[in-house]
Amino acid sequence: RKEVEQDPGPFNVPEGATVAFNCTYSNSASQSFFWYRQDCRKEPKLLMSVYSSGNEDGRFTAQLNRASQYISLLIRDSKLSDSATYLCVADSGTYKYIFGTGTRLKVLA
Amino acid sequence: DGGITQSPKYLFRKEGQNVTLSCEQNLNHDAMYWYRQDPGQGLRLIYYSQIVNDFQKGDIAEGYSVSREKKESFPLTVTSAQKNPTAFYLCASSPINRGRTEAFFGQGTRLTVV
Repeated sequence: RKEVEQDPGPFNVPEGATVAFNCTYSNSASQSFFWYRQDCRKEPKLLMSVYSSGNEDGRFTAQLNRASQYISLLIRDSKLSDSATYLCVADSGTYKYIFGTGTRLKVLA
Repeated sequence: DGGITQSPKYLFRKEGQNVTLSCEQNLNHDAMYWYRQDPGQGLRLIYYSQIVNDFQKGDIAEGYSVSREKKESFPLTVTSAQKNPTAFYLCASSPINRGRTEAFFGQGTRLTVV
């Protein structure tokens, strides 16, 4: 089983739609969780850190469920510019970052 | 501006050659990392370092070597022993704090074996 698992997609959604990505992690020692966005042929960039209480930044909401070892990202009112690959990341408990394989999102006009 | 600089952006290597990828950061981060990304794949950890003069193997260290002689620099050498080196290489850094923080990435080096 992979340490961090994501549905690879692709998710094709119309502009204005709400889309949710899910991610599970296997290492119960993981303390920090993140969502990164990666555009084609570019480096990953931090989208959101995921806090245990859940956090929101504009159209983006991240949730953490430690009991189920599950992380989610919700994007509301999708824009064409949201098209990218979204990477779920968990720390290993020893300052290593474990990346999921990413979920591709394509927002359609 | 603070950040991570990787060079070169594109690199072509002949089979049997060693090549070194540069990674420099001026963020004063203690930890540095090298990842490899293949098309349609996630990031796989090659090597990481939490302190100068110390580094650890990641999941796919075979055929690679690193050094950490300075806090700011973490070069990666792709040796001829790496059988399939064509990939996108990403260097990252992060502080080591009690509260964990995210990793910051350089722009990557795209290595092609010709």
